[in-house]
Amino acid sequence: AQSVTQLGSHVSVSEGALVLLRCNYSSSVPPYLFWYVQYPNQGLQLLLKYTSAATLVKGINGFEAEFKKSETSFHLTKPSAHMSDAAEYFCAVSDRPHNAGNMLTFGGGTRLMVKP
Amino acid sequence: GAVVSQHPSWVICKSGTSVKIECRSLDFQATTMFWYRQFPKQSLMLMATSNEGSKATYEQGVEKDKFLINHASLTLSTLTVTSAHPEDSSFYICSATSATGRESPLHFGNGTRLTVT
Repeated sequence: AQSVTQLGSHVSVSEGALVLLRCNYSSSVPPYLFWYVQYPNQGLQLLLKYTSAATLVKGINGFEAEFKKSETSFHLTKPSAHMSDAAEYFCAVSDRPHNAGNMLTFGGGTRLMVKP
Repeated sequence: GAVVSQHPSWVICKSGTSVKIECRSLDFQATTMFWYRQFPKQSLMLMATSNEGSKATYEQGVEKDKFLINHASLTLSTLTVTSAHPEDSSFYICSATSATGRESPLHFGNGTRLTVT
């Protein structure tokens, strides 16, 4: 069984400040981990994914995440927030890469708000 | 890049009527499509998995007679909410993938907001 916990359903940062969205997972097998972004009334867009290669994963829009097995974490960061980063972010875990839409377990989501 | 088109983007219907939502893969053959439901301020919950040419596999607790899924071609899957009720109001999202290789990515549609009055 797998599960994902996203600490903080809402995160507010000032424009230009560091963004840190937390994700902890539980998995009985080596996990594949994903971060998705959802803009209002839209579907999900893949930001980045960890598939057992490098532990520090770089994604689109300046985001990156680090897989820490010892902490069972996959936190998402961005050095400097932009107004356009305001959205809902979902962390997800799977025991398979990519084409596993029925094997993805999503976290509860974190809404990122960026203040001017 | 691969695109999944979902239509309509929003729909309002009266209680007791049926609503059909389409999910199309525009530039790839989607052998497998997934349907999710998202309640306000909550995460996505998988409803069903559909493979082209075969019956959909529904998740536990999802009524297959209420949420009819058809995946008759490699580019189109439809979700029909039958005899809709206000509690069916939600955001429905589809995703699709091809089976061209182990690294086939998952592509999401933009979702359909259903409001049942």
